[in-house]
Parts: sequence; C-alpha cells; structure tokens
Amino acid sequence: GAGVSQTPSNKVTEKGKYVELRCDPISGHTALYWYRQSLGQGPEFLIYFQGTGAADDSGLPNDRFFAVRPEGSVSTLKIQRTERGDSAVYLCASSLRGLVSNEQFFGPGTRLTVL
Amino acid sequence: AQSVTQLDSHVSVSEGTPVLLRCNYSSSYSPSLFWYVQHPNKGLQLLLKYTSAATLVKGINGFEAEFKKSETSFHLTKPSAHMSDAAEYFCVVSDVVTGNQFYFGTGTSLTVIP
Repeated sequence: GAGVSQTPSNKVTEKGKYVELRCDPISGHTALYWYRQSLGQGPEFLIYFQGTGAADDSGLPNDRFFAVRPEGSVSTLKIQRTERGDSAVYLCASSLRGLVSNEQFFGPGTRLTVL
Repeated sequence: AQSVTQLDSHVSVSEGTPVLLRCNYSSSYSPSLFWYVQHPNKGLQLLLKYTSAATLVKGINGFEAEFKKSETSFHLTKPSAHMSDAAEYFCVVSDVVTGNQFYFGTGTSLTVIP
C-alpha cells in the first residue's frame, strides 16, 4: 500500500517568504507527526496531531511555525517569514493510533532551503 | 527527561564482520525503544522495536537488539555486515511521559568496507 508522502520534495525560498509543506499520511492512521532534521542531527519533534487536533505542539520553535490537519488526514506545515536557520529536512510520520508503542511510518521528507 | 545517546557517530566494519551500534537512553518510565535506518535519499525505516515484551528483539535484515534495563542500553547488533547495511542508524525512545513524541539520537553512520 501507499506510504507517507510529502510534497514538495525540495523547496528553495528567500528569507522572509512564506512556505507550506504538505504531508499525506497512510490511510486510516489517526496520528500524524512533524519532525525537523538538521544536517548531521537526528530528527527533532515539532508537533503531533491525533485526528484533527494538535495534541502536542511543544516542539514548534516559535510562532512563525503553524500546522493544520483540518479533516484528520492531510496535514500542512506553514512557516511564515522564513529565516536561514529554518533550512532543514522536514519529516512527516503517521501511526495507526498514536500509542507509545506504535511504529511511526516516515515520509521521504521535504528539504527546505532558505536563501 | 527523556534522551538518547548514541555513543559512536561513525562506525566502520569490514564486510562479513559483526556490527555493534551502541545506544544508551534515559527515561522516567517504561520506555519503548526503536532502531530506525536511513539510507541516502530514502525515508526512515523501522528495523526493530522493544515494547516491554522479550528483551532480545529481532528485526529485519538480520539485526537484533537487547534491552538491558540495568545498563539503560539498547545496542544494535548484526553477526555479519553486508554492503547494503551502509546507512545512518538512529536509536529512538518514547514513553508515556513524552506522550507520543519520538526522541532521536544523533545517529551513527555505518560504513561497510568490501
């Protein structure tokens, strides 16, 4: 079956611009996660959705970052007034019910470059 | 607080020799532990997971890991390395305190020498 997909695969933008990153989770997975992976580092948690609601957004670095999941499936991560430090690979993952022991299935990521 | 320490940033082995990738964790409660692999330009793939059942966990591609609570370790091993094992490996912890967050280690890059 189809895995987690993310679009675009690459995004180059200029400092100060607005960007949207999209994630399509595995069908039927209620839990969806966003992570950010900087060069040479492990992924860092940003936000977690259970259904349509953000159950935990403690990892969002500041109020320029926002994410939505209006129908409990596709999610969009939105970054306003991008900064060079936002450059990273943004990963999306989904899991069946969001239990602690559940495997998270990861998408290929969106590589964001802010010039 | 939850954290993961991967003790080696790079490991190099010869093809056909054993692999050992080390991971230590800290967790306030009974953790779930995972190993993920990331091949170049590919997504993260689950190798194996520990969720309070058997302490010796077998995964895909001949990998296994042993949960040792007394040592707070979850080292990844494979008896015989294959060229296709060359990749980045991440140890991950989650527990009821973190909710559903995964805490990743910084990764270990495995090189396999022919």
